[in-house]
Parts: sequence; structure tokens; C-alpha cells
Amino acid sequence: GAGVSQSPRYKVAKRGQDVALRCDPISGHVSLFWYQQALGQGPEFLTYFQNEAQLDKSGLPSDRFFAERPEGSVSTLKIQRTQQEDSAVYLCASSWGLAIGVYNEQFFGPGTRLTVL
Amino acid sequence: GENVEQHPSTLSVQEGDSAVIKCTYSDSASNYFPWYKQELGKRPQLIIDIRSNVGEKKDQRIAVTLNKTAKHFSLHITETQPEDSAVYFCAAQDYGGSQGNLIFGKGTKLSVKP
Repeated sequence: GAGVSQSPRYKVAKRGQDVALRCDPISGHVSLFWYQQALGQGPEFLTYFQNEAQLDKSGLPSDRFFAERPEGSVSTLKIQRTQQEDSAVYLCASSWGLAIGVYNEQFFGPGTRLTVL
Repeated sequence: GENVEQHPSTLSVQEGDSAVIKCTYSDSASNYFPWYKQELGKRPQLIIDIRSNVGEKKDQRIAVTLNKTAKHFSLHITETQPEDSAVYFCAAQDYGGSQGNLIFGKGTKLSVKP
């Protein structure tokens, strides 16, 4: 079946613009994660959803970052008033079960490469 | 919180040689340790994982070892091939805790020379 998909794959924004990044998880997956991967670094956790509930947003770097998953499937990561330091690859991952108590493999999307000029 | 250190940052080997990548973690509550391979411009893909109740796991040319006492785990690739060239990330997770997210190391760029 289809894996995790993300759109757009590439996004160039001028500093100060708002952007919205979309994630389509694997159908039926309960858990959804967003990670930020700076150039030459490992992915860093941003936020976690269990169905439509955002259970952890401790990794969001500022209040300019906002994520939602209103119907428990597709998720959107929004960045307001983008800054150059927001340039990175934004990865989405999903897993079919709960993230707590029982391990379920996280499947990653291809990422969205955001460049802020 | 958890912190994962990974070494080396780059590794170059000849085809057919072995490659070893090492990681340490700080939180003794972590109980799951996956390894991801990421080719340039592509998504991270799970290649092998180990849980804290196991000391070693092997899958064909890839093996992972875990030392819970010392809080370190390693990836071993034998008989390396050019297609093994990629960036490898280790990660740690406490899937029984309040967070299910993965904490990643900074990655190792492996180059296998033909």
C-alpha cells in the first residue's frame, strides 16, 4: 500500500511569509509525528498526535509553529512569519498503534525541504 | 531528557570491509533502539532495531549490539557494498513513557569505496 506522503516536496518562502506543510499518513495509523531535520543533522522531534489529539508539542521551537490533525488522519504543520533559521527538511512519521506502552515502527515520509530566503 | 551521541560522523571503508557505528544514550528508561538509513534526498528507513531485553540482533550482513549497563549500542555492517553508502542514524525511545518520539543521533555518513 501507499506509504507516508508529504507535500509540497520543496518550498521556497521569503522571510516573513506563512507556509503550510501537509502530511498524509498511512491509512489507519493512529500516531503521527513531525520532526525537523537541519542540514547534516539528525531529525529532531517537534510534535506528536494520537488520532486528532495533540499530546505533545514540546519540540515546537516557537509559537510561530502550529500543527493540527483535525480528523485524525491528514496533518498540517504551519509556520508563520518564516525566518531563515526555519530552513530545514520537515519529516512526518506515522505508526499504527499508540506510541506509549507498545512499540510500533515509525514510517517516515519523504519530507518537505523548506528554504527561507 | 534523553540525549544520543553518535560516532564517527563520517566513515570511509573499502568494499568488503566491515563498518561499525557507535551510539551512547543518557536516559536509562530508554528501551528501544532503532537504526535508520537515509540516502541523499530520501526518507529515513528502518534497517534494524533492538529492544532493551536483548543484547544482540542480526539480520544478514547487519547486526546491532546493546550494552544497557554502559548505555551504548552499536551497528555492525559486514562485507560492505557500495549500495551501503548512506547516512545512518541511531535513535532511542522510551515507549513506555510519556513520549513516544524518537531521539536521534547526529548521523554517520558511510562511504563504501569500490
